[in-house]
Amino acid sequence: AQSVAQPEDQVNVAEGNPLTVKCTYSVSGNPYLFWYVQYPNRGLQFLLKYITGDNLVKGSYGFEAEFNKSQTSFHLKKPSALVSDSALYFCAVRPNNQAGTALIFGKGTTLSVSS
Amino acid sequence: DTEVTQTPKHLVMGMTNKKSLKCEQHMGHRAMYWYKQKAKKPPELMFVYSYEKLSINESVPSRFSPECPNSSLLNLHLHALQPEDSALYLCASSQDRGDRETQYFGPGTRLLVL
Repeated sequence: AQSVAQPEDQVNVAEGNPLTVKCTYSVSGNPYLFWYVQYPNRGLQFLLKYITGDNLVKGSYGFEAEFNKSQTSFHLKKPSALVSDSALYFCAVRPNNQAGTALIFGKGTTLSVSS
Repeated sequence: DTEVTQTPKHLVMGMTNKKSLKCEQHMGHRAMYWYKQKAKKPPELMFVYSYEKLSINESVPSRFSPECPNSSLLNLHLHALQPEDSALYLCASSQDRGDRETQYFGPGTRLLVL
């Protein structure tokens, strides 16, 4: 079965420190990988995606993610966290070569950045 | 501009009411989606429209009825809902249904069924 795992329900980090939100996936074939952020009472905002090419993907608001095929991971990172980064983060995957398949979301990780 | 708009922002309805949710995008996207999201859970896909035709219905109860009047508009008609249908309803759109296309989400309609 195809799936996405976000092993941490919550990540706590102090402002100014680096942050990592973990994501691993299990799909057949090569995946397309996405990160979304959701602020309270809002819709999902697209942060970044990996399709092909450079394993390090840079996205919005200073976020980046590294695709690691051997570890089947796509962890979200930021060098210096801001209090305003506090939100719910979703990793999502779509297996390629299967046109029309839905996005498969992880359960979400709540990021809390303290001042 | 990657904006998807949804109206209303909030909706309270009784179990015998009929109401509609509206979604609009002007990005020229040809795929549009309805998702249901419960608090602190990931979105669950309900319907997918591609080129104004329904292409995926994820076994959604018939009390939810989608409609795509044109390439920019997506509606979700609601009738005889149950309290467990209370949730955030998200609309999304993408260039097309291709696997590498990014889905852009609207802010959602928060629905409460009494």
